[in-house]
Amino acid sequence: GAVVSQHPSWVICKSGTSVKIECRSLDFQATTMFWYRQFPKQSLMLMATSNEGSKATYEQGVEKDKFLINHASLTLSTLTVTSAHPEDSSFYICSARKGVDQPQHFGDGTRLSIL
Amino acid sequence: DAKTTQPNSMESNEEEPVHLPCNHSTISGTDYIHWYRQLPSQGPEYVIHGLTSNVNNRMASLAIAEDRKSSTLILHRATLRDAAVYYCLGGGGADGLTFGKGTHLIIQP
Repeated sequence: GAVVSQHPSWVICKSGTSVKIECRSLDFQATTMFWYRQFPKQSLMLMATSNEGSKATYEQGVEKDKFLINHASLTLSTLTVTSAHPEDSSFYICSARKGVDQPQHFGDGTRLSIL
Repeated sequence: DAKTTQPNSMESNEEEPVHLPCNHSTISGTDYIHWYRQLPSQGPEYVIHGLTSNVNNRMASLAIAEDRKSSTLILHRATLRDAAVYYCLGGGGADGLTFGKGTHLIIQP
């Protein structure tokens, strides 16, 4: 149990376009979902925390107007990278958990490449 | 999140036990200790977590020091598929887990 699905697994697009990434908890309801990004040979960096039905909380240095997060239901959160540029190219990973003090379960990530 | 300290890399032989150490001296009394592992180009995989008592599951065992300033992840019989970056994290509550650099575990056949 505790499966998190992320879609798409990879995307290549032109500079200036917006890209939406979906994160779904398939077999549990997630009170909280998280978005991370990871650059090559580096660790995961937490971008934002999202609770169902409320606005996301962004980590310092993460532009909320650049990375739009919507958590419309207990099983779905989306991350939209608006007007993406080459420096936004990265590996984006979501996670979800059932409740406080429960483990986070991660999706398989989305490889985003902006040309 | 509590800051954790792990060795950059460790090497072990296939079919032998592996003990991965982690220091978390600043952990609070309510912070759980979490272990995850990550293969290249994949999201982290949950391994185990605990608060005070030692924990066992089908993947591994977690031994937590009595003062909770350190813990050890134990893989009882390593296989080549256990080669990964292992992350020890201290956390809980509303915040997302903060990842450090982890330990790169190398398994020799």
